[in-house]
Amino acid sequence: GNSVTQMEGPVTLSEEAFLTINCTYTATGYPSLFWYVQYPGEGLQLLLKATKADDKGSNKGFEATYRKETTSFHLEKGSVQVSDSAVYFCALLDTGRRALTFGSGTRLQVQP
Amino acid sequence: DAGVIQSPRHEVTEMGQEVTLRCKPISGHDYLFWYRQTMMRGLELLIYFNNNVPIDDSGMPEDRFSAKMPNASFSTLKIQPSEPRDSAVYFCASSIPGSNQPQHFGDGTRLSIL
Repeated sequence: GNSVTQMEGPVTLSEEAFLTINCTYTATGYPSLFWYVQYPGEGLQLLLKATKADDKGSNKGFEATYRKETTSFHLEKGSVQVSDSAVYFCALLDTGRRALTFGSGTRLQVQP
Repeated sequence: DAGVIQSPRHEVTEMGQEVTLRCKPISGHDYLFWYRQTMMRGLELLIYFNNNVPIDDSGMPEDRFSAKMPNASFSTLKIQPSEPRDSAVYFCASSIPGSNQPQHFGDGTRLSIL
């Protein structure tokens, strides 16, 4: 079956540091990949997506590249801000089954 | 455009009571999903609908859980009778057709069963 593995958190960084959150997946077929962000007390918001191999999704300074050869979709940002503190979820969407499969989430804490 | 709207935002009730969670999807979205989020199990799909028809309910925990979608703009998730282990945040999401279309989430209902 499908699965998504994310690095354990929390990840604690100082403002303006470089961020990487690792995500690897297992899937049959050719899934689409997503990063969602969840701020305290809120629902999940789509951060970025990639639908095929070598696609790069980007939004608000965050980037992730769909790597089929390593089955990875790592999230990166060059300079984090305190406002980026949240929980980040990697997810895949199987073309056969409509529902998202989520990773366990990674909490990011950015200190001023 | 309004996003996915869930109600109530918070629900506290005693064990054994019936609980009804409500969701209004984004207009024009044909797919509706119910997820549950807990510390132990993360985000899990409970059920999803396409054009108001339940497609996959394999994630529904047991017969105490039921979901309906009487029309394109409204869905309910009901728990009867409720138990403390049902305490979680329940999210509704919707999306348009297309194999790579993202799902849009509501703010969730935080349910506490005492």
